[in-house]
Amino acid sequence: GAGVSQSPRYKVAKRGQDVALRCDPISGHVSLFWYQQALGQGPEFLTYFQNEAQLDKSGLPSDRFFAERPEGSVSTLKIQRTQQEDSAVYLCASSLTTMAGAFFGQGTRLTVV
Amino acid sequence: GQQLNQSPQSMFIQEGEDVSMNCTSSSIFNTWLWYKQDPGEGPVLLIALYKAGELTSNGRLTAQFGITRKDSFLNISASIPSDVGIYFCAGPIFGSGNTGKLIFGQGTTLQVKP
Repeated sequence: GAGVSQSPRYKVAKRGQDVALRCDPISGHVSLFWYQQALGQGPEFLTYFQNEAQLDKSGLPSDRFFAERPEGSVSTLKIQRTQQEDSAVYLCASSLTTMAGAFFGQGTRLTVV
Repeated sequence: GQQLNQSPQSMFIQEGEDVSMNCTSSSIFNTWLWYKQDPGEGPVLLIALYKAGELTSNGRLTAQFGITRKDSFLNISASIPSDVGIYFCAGPIFGSGNTGKLIFGQGTTLQVKP
């Protein structure tokens, strides 16, 4: 596609519910990143894929967070047993190479009530 | 830990004015990036800087990579209403090499009065 596409754009989850957030990167982009952006803050790194390999998941805040990219294209970020502190915008970014300067999607705004 | 500090936190200016914002760090960066984020959108890359002392322009935007490699600034000349948004500086997370993993500042919010 023309850009990084994320779905859904908005998600309201009841506390304790599991959610799955989808990212369609730009076609052919090797690197894929997930970031979490709290209200009024800059994005914070969660995890990084190179093709289908998850090379770094050091930013995931707890073991309730899980990300996958099984075929090296679409990625899913799953959050189990959501908590109120998980409320944030989740941004996906992709880049053609490993150099900095990735293209970001519009994000998914998750609200846990 | 690694941190990027942006100032000012917010700016409210008149259309046509020039704007200057900066980003500082206690650690050295090899790359500086400037992004703009509009409400409800993801960040969009404005300028990338790869070399100490480098001065790069993109239309009315000019950014410089500080000589100490611990700071960068972004200037916007002759501001227009569509410049409204949040401006973020970013750089590679320490020890991440060229993976593209980024640390972001907390942002400078720009508002332009017509």
